[in-house]
Amino acid sequence: QITLKESGPTLVKPTQTLTLTCTFSGFSLSTSGVGVGWIRQPPGKALEWLALVYWNDDKRYSPSLKSRLTITKHASIHQVVLTMTTMDPVDTATYYCVHRDQWLAYFDYWGQGTLVTVSS
Amino acid sequence: EIVLTQSPATLSLSPGERATLSCRASQSVSSFLAWYQQKPGQAPRLLIYDASNRATGIPARFSGSGSGTDFTLTISSLEPDDFAVYYCQQRSNWPWTFGQGTKVDIK
Repeated sequence: QITLKESGPTLVKPTQTLTLTCTFSGFSLSTSGVGVGWIRQPPGKALEWLALVYWNDDKRYSPSLKSRLTITKHASIHQVVLTMTTMDPVDTATYYCVHRDQWLAYFDYWGQGTLVTVSS
Repeated sequence: EIVLTQSPATLSLSPGERATLSCRASQSVSSFLAWYQQKPGQAPRLLIYDASNRATGIPARFSGSGSGTDFTLTISSLEPDDFAVYYCQQRSNWPWTFGQGTKVDIK
């Protein structure tokens, strides 16, 4: 059974760096084709894909946020970390960790999400 | 960046009715399109992948069609549990993008 869970601060101040950790189970991030990514959703708004790391450490970022994002995998301890610099109130959102299936190639498992509020 | 435009923004229907949701891409995504369902306070759930394939455990009343730039999600007979927001997503080109969503609510 695949599960993912996000952890990190619920409140950050403007200009600070956000660090979120995704801890997963039920699959290996060393398996060919597998990926783990991050998607966010501002309150009442649509989904926005942020970043994805593949089993081979290939990394993809949203172009609009690429300068602020870093995604890192720690396959041996079943974690993926996302950092986002220079946080702003517009970055207030629920952040989801997602599993990219090696066969379907879409996001077939999602974490419960974690709401991050950016406010002074 | 490929823009996905979903219509309508809101669809008001009664249980038992047929729902037809549209997703249009700004350029061809071939069949590399998925549909997700999101209920309030929950994470999205994958319904359809590669335009027309149901994900594991998805009821047969959900079907997807289309290719290129025009796609449709059809719910043949709405159940009370189907009232939710639906998003399309493409994986044809980086960055992967989502539509803005269609809310299906009870009439």
